[in-house]
Amino acid sequence: AQKITQTQPGMFVQEKEAVTLDCTYDTSDPSYGLFWYKQPSSGEMIFLIYQGSYDQQNATEGRYSLNFQKARKSANLVISASQLGDSAMYFCAMREPYNTDKLIFGTGTRLQVFP
Amino acid sequence: NAGVTQTPKFQVLKTGQSMTLQCAQDMNHEYMSWYRQDPGMGLRLIHYSVGAGITDQGEVPNGYNVSRSTTEDFPLRLLSAAPSQTSVYFCASSYSSTGRTGELFFGEGSRLTVL
Repeated sequence: AQKITQTQPGMFVQEKEAVTLDCTYDTSDPSYGLFWYKQPSSGEMIFLIYQGSYDQQNATEGRYSLNFQKARKSANLVISASQLGDSAMYFCAMREPYNTDKLIFGTGTRLQVFP
Repeated sequence: NAGVTQTPKFQVLKTGQSMTLQCAQDMNHEYMSWYRQDPGMGLRLIHYSVGAGITDQGEVPNGYNVSRSTTEDFPLRLLSAAPSQTSVYFCASSYSSTGRTGELFFGEGSRLTVL
């Protein structure tokens, strides 16, 4: 069965520094999609970035990039130049292959950015 | 620009009571789903629907019913609430699996407490 693992319950980073949030996944299917979502203290879920298993290049969206290492089955989120507003919970998720957009979520990492 | 709308945002129930969480989307999305979020467990899929008239179970369906009579609406019913159903519930929708990335658009969440 597909599984997402986030081993960092909490992370601290200083403002303007870069931070990497870890995510590993397990699937036997060659076709899948990986997502990162941000959940600030207000509670809403905000889509950040997507990586398809056949994408040749790592996904980037502004200050967010996804370090996709297919052989290691890892999809780490890199946030460059952290800002105080980046303090939030971050969830990694995987779309089950050949299914209709069912996402499996990891347990999340709480990121705290300090001045 | 409503997106995904959930009501109510907060609800307190007594054990054994029933209630319905409403979810509506105005983006003409085929796929809709319900997740629950519990501390330390990420988001877990309760039920999902790939279109009007079609529903299926997710990871934690027990104690919940759904129906999908229209493309826009996907209500979640608790027939006999239990304290274990105390959680934050999210409704989400997306384009079909043939769409862009399968990115889920989330509602703002509904916090349910069962006493």
